Amino acid sequence: SAVISQKPSRDICQRGTSLTIQCQVDSQVTMMFWYRQQPGQSLTLIATANQGSEATYESGFVIDKFPISRPNLTFSTLTVSNMSPEDSSIYLCSVSRDTEAFFGQGTRLTVV
Amino acid sequence: KQEVTQIPAALSVPEGENLVLNCSFTDSAIYNLQWFRQDPGKGLTSLLLIQSSQREQTSGRLNASLDKSSGRSTLYIAASQPGDSATYLCAVSPLRAGNNRKLIWGLGTSLAVNP
Repeated sequence: SAVISQKPSRDICQRGTSLTIQCQVDSQVTMMFWYRQQPGQSLTLIATANQGSEATYESGFVIDKFPISRPNLTFSTLTVSNMSPEDSSIYLCSVSRDTEAFFGQGTRLTVV
Repeated sequence: KQEVTQIPAALSVPEGENLVLNCSFTDSAIYNLQWFRQDPGKGLTSLLLIQSSQREQTSGRLNASLDKSSGRSTLYIAASQPGDSATYLCAVSPLRAGNNRKLIWGLGTSLAVNP
């Protein structure tokens, strides 16, 4: 299994500001994944973060809006930039180990 | 294009009932299928992982089956309890070279078990 610590667990932010979400894994992993879950919806993959290279973004997501860092094999950050109320969602960090996916506890973001 | 559907979208049952949640997928070329539980406003907890070569997996009161040829999986919960109330999500990992960790998600079944 994998233990993932995600911070903050929730936040209320003003529009136009940015929030950085941290994800720490208890052991080294090659890929880390960032998801968004909008209210009442299922999960949507934002990007895949590999250590030492730029993140790979899914269609509809861009680096300027969601910059990602992956400084080592156990840590990653996702920044939600220039936030608007439409960014209010749960953001989730995930890793895969032995083909099984594991998730952090999520960050519940409300933009006002 | 792989699509995952979960039925029913919501379910409310009295405590003690045995129940079945359904997940169907359109492309049988999968690497594995995974069931998750999500409590309101929280992250996801992995419940059961079924590899494409397996037919079922069991953990406590939970049993998940996989019929790859028909594109179906079921999650069986025995003797349901109020603590089982949550949203249950199904996700498949498509069998594509170099991309077998990208999951395709259903919308989930919201379960309420009433005391």
